[in-house]
Amino acid sequence: AIQMTQSPSSLSASVGDRVTISCRASQGIRNALGWYQQQPGKAPKLLIYAASSLQSGVPSRFSGSGSGTDFTLTISSLQPEDFATYYCLQDYDFPLTFGGGTKVEIK
Amino acid sequence: QVHLVQSGAEVKEPGASVKVSCKTSGYTFTSYSISWVRQTPGQGLQWMGWSSSYNSDANYEESLQGRVTMTTDPSTSTAFMELRNLRSDDTAFYYCVRDPRDYGSQFDFWGQGTLVTVSS
Repeated sequence: AIQMTQSPSSLSASVGDRVTISCRASQGIRNALGWYQQQPGKAPKLLIYAASSLQSGVPSRFSGSGSGTDFTLTISSLQPEDFATYYCLQDYDFPLTFGGGTKVEIK
Repeated sequence: QVHLVQSGAEVKEPGASVKVSCKTSGYTFTSYSISWVRQTPGQGLQWMGWSSSYNSDANYEESLQGRVTMTTDPSTSTAFMELRNLRSDDTAFYYCVRDPRDYGSQFDFWGQGTLVTVSS
């Protein structure tokens, strides 16, 4: 199975900060990667698919980049509602695999 | 609007089976597959498997092979996930998700989650 390694596992940031989260695949997955945001007690929400395509309705402060094995989710200016846990998911091959998550907390 | 509404919480004893339903609306059911994802309390996400919405095709995560069956009923736009021989480490929230990977996207709509508790 393809292993997805996210870093950092947690971070503290302030409103207005630029935040980057990384996801590394154990083998090349082209651009078959998505990013999800999960608020406590809620289902995950799709933010980015195909590595860099913004899901409809998602604010433009979220962006994704990368291909092959290294991917990045960037939040250009952190807002109060962005404090959550973020996950990457590869859908290049079965089994689909998630990263371990990155918890974004208020500094 | 697209909605996926799951059945309610379940409490099961070890060794029992559970069947979670996922009633969909707001889109053409047979145009999208359904995947299932679970999350143990306070932990990360695990993809469990995928099932076609119009035939019997399915693919399951290897660690669940032999214990899980995912099916769909196009006549009621409903998907089902059955997990057998339950163990304590199957205690988790179970989510059904609309699966648009055939269109180049990922899991765009999620059910609200069903908590399955396995305890004697």
